[in-house]
Amino acid sequence: DTAVSQTPKYLVTQMGNDKSIKCEQNLGHDTMYWYKQDSKKFLKIMFSYNNKELIINETVPNRFSPKSPDKAHLNLHINSLELGDSAVYFCASSHLTRRTAGNTIYFGEGSWLTVV
Amino acid sequence: SQKIEQNSEALNIQEGKTATLTCNYTNYSPAYLQWYRQDPGRGPVFLLLIRENEKEKRKERLKVTFDTTLKQSLFHITASQPADSATYLCAPMFSGGYNKLIFGAGTRLAVHP
Repeated sequence: DTAVSQTPKYLVTQMGNDKSIKCEQNLGHDTMYWYKQDSKKFLKIMFSYNNKELIINETVPNRFSPKSPDKAHLNLHINSLELGDSAVYFCASSHLTRRTAGNTIYFGEGSWLTVV
Repeated sequence: SQKIEQNSEALNIQEGKTATLTCNYTNYSPAYLQWYRQDPGRGPVFLLLIRENEKEKRKERLKVTFDTTLKQSLFHITASQPADSATYLCAPMFSGGYNKLIFGAGTRLAVHP
């Protein structure tokens, strides 16, 4: 069974469109993340939710809006897509325990977004 | 600002040799450092975590060192195999934070038969 699954795996869309990427984890984790990996392979955190509460919100255009209906799901909605949004978006999850920070993060397989 | 540097060039080695990858960081003092492996078209996979009070951590053919004075971690793969070919990412992080990993750009390792 896939631990962190995200859909779609590939998405090609035109500039200006709105799209969503969905993510689900079955690991029982309380924290989920969205990371973006650009063409230079840098993996940058965008958002994190802990028990449906937004705890990390990096400098990301407000066209990007995460939504966590429950702690097993974290979706990413992108409005008015731009060419520069083309990248691989990774969902991830972990247990968040402040006293033992450094917990392993489990990543999904990525969603390849191409904006044309 | 926080900065993480890994060898930007690919590392090519012969099968059976030891691969050594370097991770240097500046402008902060992480309490933990993790190493991940990423294969083409896949998500990163956790390999090892080392804490600031640990000098060295081993797991099978993998060894990680953490020098907080030099602000450097070294990742070693002994008796390397072609199956070890992948990109390896280091990710230092703070204690007490929200598990906010900051990743290096990664080093691509190619092990040749």
